[in-house]
Amino acid sequence: ETGVTQSPTHLIKTRGQQVTLRCSSQSGHNTVSWYQQALGQGPQFIFQYYREEENGRGNFPPRFSGLQFPNYSSELNVNALELDDSALYLCASSLTSLRRNEQFFGPGTRLTVL
Amino acid sequence: GDSVTQMEGPVTLSEEAFLTINCTYTATGYPSLFWYVQYPGEGLQLLLKATKADDKGSNKGFEATYRKETTSFHLEKGSVQVSDSAVYFCALRGENNNAGNMLTFGGGTRLMVKP
Repeated sequence: ETGVTQSPTHLIKTRGQQVTLRCSSQSGHNTVSWYQQALGQGPQFIFQYYREEENGRGNFPPRFSGLQFPNYSSELNVNALELDDSALYLCASSLTSLRRNEQFFGPGTRLTVL
Repeated sequence: GDSVTQMEGPVTLSEEAFLTINCTYTATGYPSLFWYVQYPGEGLQLLLKATKADDKGSNKGFEATYRKETTSFHLEKGSVQVSDSAVYFCALRGENNNAGNMLTFGGGTRLMVKP
């Protein structure tokens, strides 16, 4: 069984650019959540996708957007990058969005904005 | 809204010492509580969990008890090893989330164990 994978591993962008991060969920999982982990801090919930629909959002501006595809893989898009967007972006998948289902995390994508 | 507060690190211990990392939370109702561990360069791994008051979660020698009366979920281990060096995150899954199983994390506590 393949776990959660993310690409790329590292990424460097400049302020004002746009970036797309990708996540493949664990086999059989239909729910993907994205988190932002700034250096030295805990992860912060960005949003969740369940069966290709956004299923909840944290306190992030609209320039953070996402997609989920029919195979339940997901993308996180960030427009108009700011220096403070530099962080580790974590994707987590779960069997469903029900509260009882555990989230399984990928290794993350390290984004640096210069 | 929901929140989690952890003791700040780093916590530096000698091998075989006793470990406590404090965690308290604020949430309505009866959240589920978790400890995650993050090794250098890796994502988060679930260490243990407890889903109701007075439950004790345990794994790999680590334990934590869900204390509703003190809204706490302190992590303990009787004898740490160098391989336990990592960052530990306390987290909760609330009852009134806008996304069913989203997690709210504390700021993390770095543990360094010296031989």
